[in-house]
Amino acid sequence: NAGVMQNPRHLVRRRGQEARLRCSPMKGHSHVYWYRQLPEEGLKFMVYLQKENIIDESGMPKERFSAEFPKEGPSILRIQQVVRGDSAAYFCASSPDRGQPQHFGDGTRLSIL
Amino acid sequence: DQQVKQNSPSLSVQEGRISILNCDYTNSMFDYFLWYKKYPAEGPTFLISISSIKDKNEDGRFTVFLNKSAKHLSLHIVPSQPGDSAVYFCAASSYGGSQGNLIFGKGTKLSVKP
Repeated sequence: NAGVMQNPRHLVRRRGQEARLRCSPMKGHSHVYWYRQLPEEGLKFMVYLQKENIIDESGMPKERFSAEFPKEGPSILRIQQVVRGDSAAYFCASSPDRGQPQHFGDGTRLSIL
Repeated sequence: DQQVKQNSPSLSVQEGRISILNCDYTNSMFDYFLWYKKYPAEGPTFLISISSIKDKNEDGRFTVFLNKSAKHLSLHIVPSQPGDSAVYFCAASSYGGSQGNLIFGKGTKLSVKP
């Protein structure tokens, strides 16, 4: 399967711990996007990255959240000191270039105890 | 303030008939629109897109219509099949999609009955 790969599929953390979500884009795609979906809601944009660069982080909470897309390896969305409100499905998407349709992974379901 | 609205949370259609899913937007800067289908526990799957320079785009059983003056788009699926049962999301972007961040509606759950 050459699609967008996200892991883990499910992640359980206790309040105050750190959560790391990984995303490997489709082959040939250098643009990565992260979205969050709360229950009964649509997807909400968080951050847009290109290799080694953050292009747009306007949807990212100012504190505790960070994202990177290194030259080698997957993109990482990191949430420090998680709280109950961080419980959601986090989706990663990729595209070969700007203005091209984004293709999504199957998401990471984060649960905070 | 919701910039992309899908006012019907659910829609039920008989197999073989046409499904029409609607989407309204408020931001006149939006010029690139997409439809995604989503099954439970999976990620959204891209279906079809349309640029504001067009008013119609067709791909097999799926056709998207764009009415810029009304800020309205619709997805037509014909004929509908039971496998089309899923949640359908409308999404919009500015600058031809080059801005990167898609604005999604809340989705419409389509049920196609055999």
